Amino acid sequence: AQRVTQPEKLLSVFKGAPVELKCNYSYSGSPELFWYVQYSRQRLQLLLRHISRESIKGFTADLNKGETSFHLKKPFAQEEDSAMYYCALSGAQGAQKLVFGQGTRLTINP
Amino acid sequence: SQTIHQWPATLVQPVGSPLSLECTVEGTSNPNLYWYRQAAGRGLQLLFYSVGIGQISSEVPQNLSASRPQDRQFILSSKKLLLSDSGFYLCAWSTDRDQPQHFGDGTRLSIL
Repeated sequence: AQRVTQPEKLLSVFKGAPVELKCNYSYSGSPELFWYVQYSRQRLQLLLRHISRESIKGFTADLNKGETSFHLKKPFAQEEDSAMYYCALSGAQGAQKLVFGQGTRLTINP
Repeated sequence: SQTIHQWPATLVQPVGSPLSLECTVEGTSNPNLYWYRQAAGRGLQLLFYSVGIGQISSEVPQNLSASRPQDRQFILSSKKLLLSDSGFYLCAWSTDRDQPQHFGDGTRLSIL
């Protein structure tokens, strides 16, 4: 069965501090992993995906198949990073059926 | 540009009443369409997806149904709502499986 676990419902860090949002997954094949973000009063939107291997808004995420993890990291948090973050997984076949984690609410304190 | 519309934003319904939530996409053709639900304290769960008109795939057994009467219209329905149908419903679209999904604003459904 496909499963995504985000162990932290809430995460609070100070501006300028490093941020790491944890995501672990369970999938028997080769998954595609995503991070979606929802800023206050905005729609849920894609932040990054592992196949792109790019940094978006200073965030990066590396797929670790050995640890089945896809943690989201940023070296220096900014106040505008405060948002709800969802890790999601899609299987390799068929339509892009996303399995989401419960989400982590990130708050950046000034 | 492509846009997605989802309505209503909030809905309060009595148990046993019918339901119809609508989602439409503009600016693209033959999109993949998706309905998700977020129950209290849980992540988003995929309910239905559609890769074309009249093609509906159900991901979980439930009291709800979906239909796609037109290329860019996706409807979530129920004949008789249950208390457990309460939640936040999101519609999404993508051009194909390799492209990211774009989400609507969602509908918060409360069953009394």
